[in-house]
Amino acid sequence: SQQGEEDPQALSIQEGENATMNCSYKTSINNLQWYRQNSGRGLVHLILIRSNEREKHSGRLRVTLDTSKKSSSLLITASRAADTASYFCATAPNSGNTPLVFGKGTRLSVIA
Amino acid sequence: SAVISQKPSRDICQRGTSLTIQCQVDSQVTMMFWYRQQPGQSLTLIATANQGSEATYESGFVIDKFPISRPNLTFSTLTVSNMSPEDSSIYLCSVPGTSGGPNEQFFGPGTRLTVL
Repeated sequence: SQQGEEDPQALSIQEGENATMNCSYKTSINNLQWYRQNSGRGLVHLILIRSNEREKHSGRLRVTLDTSKKSSSLLITASRAADTASYFCATAPNSGNTPLVFGKGTRLSVIA
Repeated sequence: SAVISQKPSRDICQRGTSLTIQCQVDSQVTMMFWYRQQPGQSLTLIATANQGSEATYESGFVIDKFPISRPNLTFSTLTVSNMSPEDSSIYLCSVPGTSGGPNEQFFGPGTRLTVL
């Protein structure tokens, strides 16, 4: 069952601007991950943040996690047209090889 | 990392027919997951497929509708049976990145199914 709720559902920005996407979840988690999907194809893993971490960076990506509010945010800085995609958060209830529970996703459009 | 291929990449099928989707991984993995993504929606887990045992289905998905085979550690198939237009979706298989510990999943490119 889905537990993540993302907002906004759709976001349109100009190239060079920052994009922020939010995700909320309902149950306790071991970690939270963000994925990107281009044009309805396979998902690509972007970043994973553990439940005992509050912030993580990877290149132009910054992820925060607030377990007290059961929420996370993904910030993409200096966006590019190539960042245009759908972004999903996904939660893992425990460590190990468990299936993920995906949020509804944010469709990001970066206009050149 | 794992490289995953799926066949077919897309198909258009008639109502009442069945389609078998193949998922091939370039390394041996214990678990494989099958997800469905309905148009404009997020991913929903259909089942977990372990080699050597029956697949474990999520609520709302049954074996008669979505039979799964897992003949070895690198291959799995998902069949969508007696299709209706509501089955039009992207079907994706995925595998965990590494064994043990929190890790990412690697996804196949998906199979886009349209049922007329």
